[in-house]
Amino acid sequence: AQSVTQPDIHITVSEGASLELRCNYSYGATPYLFWYVQSPGQGLQLLLKYFSGDTLVQGIKGFEAEFKRSQSSFNLRKPSVHWSDAAEYFCAVGGATNKLIFGTGTLLAVQP
Amino acid sequence: EAGVTQFPSHSVIEKGQTVTLRCDPISGHDNLYWYRRVMGKEIKFLLHFVKESKQDESGMPNNRFLAERTGGTYSTLKVQPAELEDSGVYFCASSPDRGNEETQYFGPGTRLLVL
Repeated sequence: AQSVTQPDIHITVSEGASLELRCNYSYGATPYLFWYVQSPGQGLQLLLKYFSGDTLVQGIKGFEAEFKRSQSSFNLRKPSVHWSDAAEYFCAVGGATNKLIFGTGTLLAVQP
Repeated sequence: EAGVTQFPSHSVIEKGQTVTLRCDPISGHDNLYWYRRVMGKEIKFLLHFVKESKQDESGMPNNRFLAERTGGTYSTLKVQPAELEDSGVYFCASSPDRGNEETQYFGPGTRLLVL
């Protein structure tokens, strides 16, 4: 079955600390992988995506993610978190069909 | 360039009533998608239009949901009659017709509450 698992429902980090949000997927074909962010009152904004090529992907707002096929993972990282990064983060997988399969989301809180 | 817009932003209705959600995709985008997030759960795919045609409606929960895309432009999603379990956030997304490697751009969502 195709699925995405985000094991951390809620994470709190201090401003300036590093961040890693976990994402594992199950997909029967070559996956296309995405991270979206939803800030309060806003829609989903694409942070980064992986289709092929370099497995370390750079995105907006200083985020990056690494595709590890052997671990079926696509974890999101940021070296230094800012207060404005507080939001909900969604990992998603797509492929030959256009529909995206999302994880349940990780809610990030940033402490001053 | 204007993004994906959705109307209304919020809707509160009573069980048994009808609600119609509207989505305006990014101009020129042939692909239009509807997704839904029920509280505390994942965002789930409902259906996919290519221009005015339904490409995939495998995620539609039941026949109380009717989606249309007039002339391949904006789309509406009607729920009739609404049930309590229909409450959630309904997202619309669009993408250009350049294959399945295209990014889907999401709207802000419509928050539906059925009482």
